[in-house]
Amino acid sequence: GQQLNQSPQSMFIQEGEDVSMNCTSSSIFNTWLWYKQDPGEGPVLLIALYKAGELTSNGRLTAQFGITRKDSFLNISASIPSDVGIYFCAGQRASAGGTSYGKLTFGQGTILTVHP
Amino acid sequence: EAQVTQNPRYLITVTGKKLTVTCSQNMNHEYMSWYRQDPGLGLRQIYYSMNVEVTDKGDVPEGYKVSRKEKRNFPLILESPSPNQTSLYFCASSLLLAGRYNEQFFGPGTRLTVL
Repeated sequence: GQQLNQSPQSMFIQEGEDVSMNCTSSSIFNTWLWYKQDPGEGPVLLIALYKAGELTSNGRLTAQFGITRKDSFLNISASIPSDVGIYFCAGQRASAGGTSYGKLTFGQGTILTVHP
Repeated sequence: EAQVTQNPRYLITVTGKKLTVTCSQNMNHEYMSWYRQDPGLGLRQIYYSMNVEVTDKGDVPEGYKVSRKEKRNFPLILESPSPNQTSLYFCASSLLLAGRYNEQFFGPGTRLTVL
């Protein structure tokens, strides 16, 4: 199955720094999602993007749906220690009546470490 | 509280010994799915179900079985586990409304080690 190419694989930053990560695909998605996974927990949805070019914020997080519908990025501003975790991008193709309905394709994840 | 629960959370077993990981959700969701998470590979879908008695293969179904006899439960069965099935497993569920993204809610994960 296809996977999304997510980069970087890991980041080590100082508290207060900004963070940027991105995801690319060889094919189009109708929806782009960003999830965060805290240690010992399941992924939790941060931001969902529905339209090409859309820019959406959630507190210090900002994500964009690429114009080509083949990429997305996530920015975290002024990082804090609780931002530590694994961030995943995911794409979904809405196909009414098709077997791909509901299916998410995930990136490899970005491991974020924030030093106080 | 709306949630997805998985049991057990941790399991160490030996090659060939059949096991079942249970998944239950209390949100009346139609869609349920199993993923495995491996370092550097992200989450990969094993099986999914769009409703009771409707299941289908995901990207990595080999060595796994599922059943959906009730809407709330979606157990993952490993008939003859092998070491390459050592992984972190997540169950997820969502509504299945047409024309929009339906947020998938994930369980807390089951860490399986097969010796």
